[in-house]
Amino acid sequence: NAGVMQNPRHLVRRRGQEARLRCSPMKGHSHVYWYRQLPEEGLKFMVYLQKENIIDESGMPKERFSAEFPKEGPSILRIQQVVRGDSAAYFCASSPPGAAAGTEAFFGQGTRLTVV
Amino acid sequence: QQQVKQSPQSLIVQKGGISIINCAYENTAFDYFPWYQQFPGKGPALLIAIRPDVSEKKEGRFTISFNKSAKQFSLHIMDSQPGDSATYFCAAPKGANNLFFGTGTRLTVIP
Repeated sequence: NAGVMQNPRHLVRRRGQEARLRCSPMKGHSHVYWYRQLPEEGLKFMVYLQKENIIDESGMPKERFSAEFPKEGPSILRIQQVVRGDSAAYFCASSPPGAAAGTEAFFGQGTRLTVV
Repeated sequence: QQQVKQSPQSLIVQKGGISIINCAYENTAFDYFPWYQQFPGKGPALLIAIRPDVSEKKEGRFTISFNKSAKQFSLHIMDSQPGDSATYFCAAPKGANNLFFGTGTRLTVIP
């Protein structure tokens, strides 16, 4: 059973470009969470999704950021018109149905976004 | 806003010693308090978790102590090893939907 898969592992974008980060949850998991981690800081919640639904996006910046988790395929975190301040590690986590939301979360290895 | 306050920010321990990391949280109606371990360049990995119907949970060298009345919980690493050197995060439920993480403790175990 493969773990949470994120790709790419490293992504370099120029200011103004779009960044698209992918997350495939563990098999059988239907809850997906995205977190952002700045250097030397903790994990900041961004968004919680279930298949085809955004459940909680209270941590998402109001502009340029969007997330989806379609019926088929991976979850996507999309950052439009990236700026240097978007440079961070973005982690995806998944948990199984039936688990209390937020519990039993398993993390991927992250995508390290660098904006130049 | 729900907060989890974690201390210390960094910790240096001799091999064989005990590492202790503390967290305090604010009011919550949910009962699940995990600790995550993160190595450089890796994602956080669930280490151990506790539900506060018990005051302590032990798994190998790792123990969580939980004080519900004080809203505090701590991670103890017994017989600390250089391989334990990592960043440790405590977490607590944030509403019904996800976890709120502490700011992390960077542990260094000196051989």
